Amino acid sequence: SQWGEENLQALSIQEGEDVTMNCSYKTYTTVVHWYRQDSGRGPALIILIRSNEREKRSGRLRATLDTSSQSSSLSITAAQCEDTAVYFCATELNMGYKLTFGTGTSLLVDP
Amino acid sequence: DMKVTQMPRYLIKRMGENVLLECGQDMSHETMYWYRQDPGLGLQLIYISYDVDSNSEGDIPKGYRVSRKKREHFSLILDSAKTNQTSVYFCASSLYRSSYEQYFGPGTRLTVL
Repeated sequence: SQWGEENLQALSIQEGEDVTMNCSYKTYTTVVHWYRQDSGRGPALIILIRSNEREKRSGRLRATLDTSSQSSSLSITAAQCEDTAVYFCATELNMGYKLTFGTGTSLLVDP
Repeated sequence: DMKVTQMPRYLIKRMGENVLLECGQDMSHETMYWYRQDPGLGLQLIYISYDVDSNSEGDIPKGYRVSRKKREHFSLILDSAKTNQTSVYFCASSLYRSSYEQYFGPGTRLTVL
């Protein structure tokens, strides 16, 4: 799992497997963003989940949010090679103007 | 096509030189950000700009300053660059607050020798 103070996590899976990445955060938030970053590029938002949603799906992605335990997860079903990237969670502070990013999970999907 | 651009993409400077990183967006977004990213770390917020001439320090503003004279343009300035400012710098923008998606540029890789 990723956390503001942990080192970058790394996962390696085979194509077709399911994978779940976890994110724990310290400060109360009502929104968690999940971004993916491909090598040599800037991060891009893939899913955003609000506290009143608890679970959100987008294609093969599924995000959950548990504000009581201050944790979120991102699952990818039937991972593909093109899912290889670094995945960051980010939480909102300061009335939504500021995002605090986790340290990221590096996912490698082998063919 | 919504886009955030950054110039230059790569830059090598000597310690003590001044550095100017430029960012542009074509979406009329109010809010813009500068982050730096170091190996194995997440993105660290340097400055936020809420609109023209309305800037606020982020988590690591020391050694940096910013300028936003037009809504679509946001600059990061390093006066007398230091070796520990070697990093990849990302600019981002969002429509209003960060409750909305942040759009990131491709990054500028800065090396200070």
